[in-house]
Amino acid sequence: DAGVIQSPRHEVTEMGQEVTLRCKPISGHDYLFWYRQTMMRGLELLIYFNNNVPIDDSGMPEDRFSAKMPNASFSTLKIQPSEPRDSAVYFCASRGQGKNTGELFFGEGSRLTVL
Amino acid sequence: AQSVAQPEDQVNVAEGNPLTVKCTYSVSGNPYLFWYVQYPNRGLQFLLKYITGDNLVKGSYGFEAEFNKSQTSFHLKKPSALVSDSALYFCAVRALPDSSYKLIFGSGTRLLVRP
Repeated sequence: DAGVIQSPRHEVTEMGQEVTLRCKPISGHDYLFWYRQTMMRGLELLIYFNNNVPIDDSGMPEDRFSAKMPNASFSTLKIQPSEPRDSAVYFCASRGQGKNTGELFFGEGSRLTVL
Repeated sequence: AQSVAQPEDQVNVAEGNPLTVKCTYSVSGNPYLFWYVQYPNRGLQFLLKYITGDNLVKGSYGFEAEFNKSQTSFHLKKPSALVSDSALYFCAVRALPDSSYKLIFGSGTRLLVRP
């Protein structure tokens, strides 16, 4: 299995630009999570999906952030417009049902720098 | 509210010595507890979990953790540290009967194993 795949690995953009981060979960996993990691705030859960449906987006910081999951194998996290304080590493993670009682599988992350 | 505390920002240990990384939790129900490790510029990797049963849980790379309900702790341990164990370690909790499948992560502890 290829694991959770995220792209791009690194993104440098200027304030005000739109940023789109992409995630392909592990095949067969029906939960997908977006986390943000910063030195100041650690790991924060932004939003998660179950069977492509957003279940809890209470961690999304502002309306500038949006996430979609159009199908079971693809999700996007969009920031529009981006701001320097959005600079962070964004992780996507997935998990499956059954015996997998909570274990998440993380992607390598997308490091975003907003200038 | 659920929370996880990792009281040490950094743990230093000499190679070959035993190591302990501390974690305490606060949940209203029975916890599912996890340890993850993050190497530089990588995503989080699952190490081990406690769901129920034996309080001593064994995981990857020779790590183990001891669940202590009375002290609400889940400390990570290894009998003999390796330089390659140097990384960032995260404790996480999911409370039951919470069905949100969210994991709450601690702030992380950096482990430095010196040769």
